[in-house]
Amino acid sequence: AQSVAQPEDQVNVAEGNPLTVKCTYSVSGNPYLFWYVQYPNRGLQFLLKYITGDNLVKGSYGFEAEFNKSQTSFHLKKPSALVSDSALYFCAVRANSWGKLQFGAGTQVVVTP
Amino acid sequence: DAMVIQNPRYQVTQFGKPVTLSCSQTLNHNVMYWYQQKSSQAPKLLFHYYDKDFNNEADTPDNFQSRRPNTSFCFLDIRSPGLGDAAMYLCATSREKQSSYEQYFGPGTRLTVT
Repeated sequence: AQSVAQPEDQVNVAEGNPLTVKCTYSVSGNPYLFWYVQYPNRGLQFLLKYITGDNLVKGSYGFEAEFNKSQTSFHLKKPSALVSDSALYFCAVRANSWGKLQFGAGTQVVVTP
Repeated sequence: DAMVIQNPRYQVTQFGKPVTLSCSQTLNHNVMYWYQQKSSQAPKLLFHYYDKDFNNEADTPDNFQSRRPNTSFCFLDIRSPGLGDAAMYLCATSREKQSSYEQYFGPGTRLTVT
């Protein structure tokens, strides 16, 4: 069985400070990892993914994520947060080549001016 | 340019009155998905189509049906909506079924059941 954990319901950060949103996963085999962002009353937007290769993945809007196999983590990061980054962030995993996309519970990010 | 379009954005229906939600895509993707999302929770997969092949999740209620008449369109039919079916319904697409392909989501339809 596959699962994803986002340990923080909410992350608060001041504009201009680094932003980190945590994600850990559990799958058998090689994971396919994704980050999505959701703004109020909108669908999910794809940010980035890890399939294979470099552990540091760069995505949209200045976001990046680091895959750490030993810690089974895939934390999302942004060096300097913007107020417009305030949204709900979902980490997701697919196990093996054909697995269902399994979402974490989501982390609400609040960036204050 | 909108790639995954959902209509309507907001839908109000009465308890027990059938309702149909619509999704269309301009991406020519092979796979289309329907998710249910309640109160900023994680989206829950209801079913998906790979081309014309329909795949139902084991825990999707029989009250939910879907149709995909062609590559571009997919419909979600709720035969007898209950109060518990009030939610955001998200349509998504992916180029292929393999896990390496990301999914593209529409803006969602918020369903209210009165």
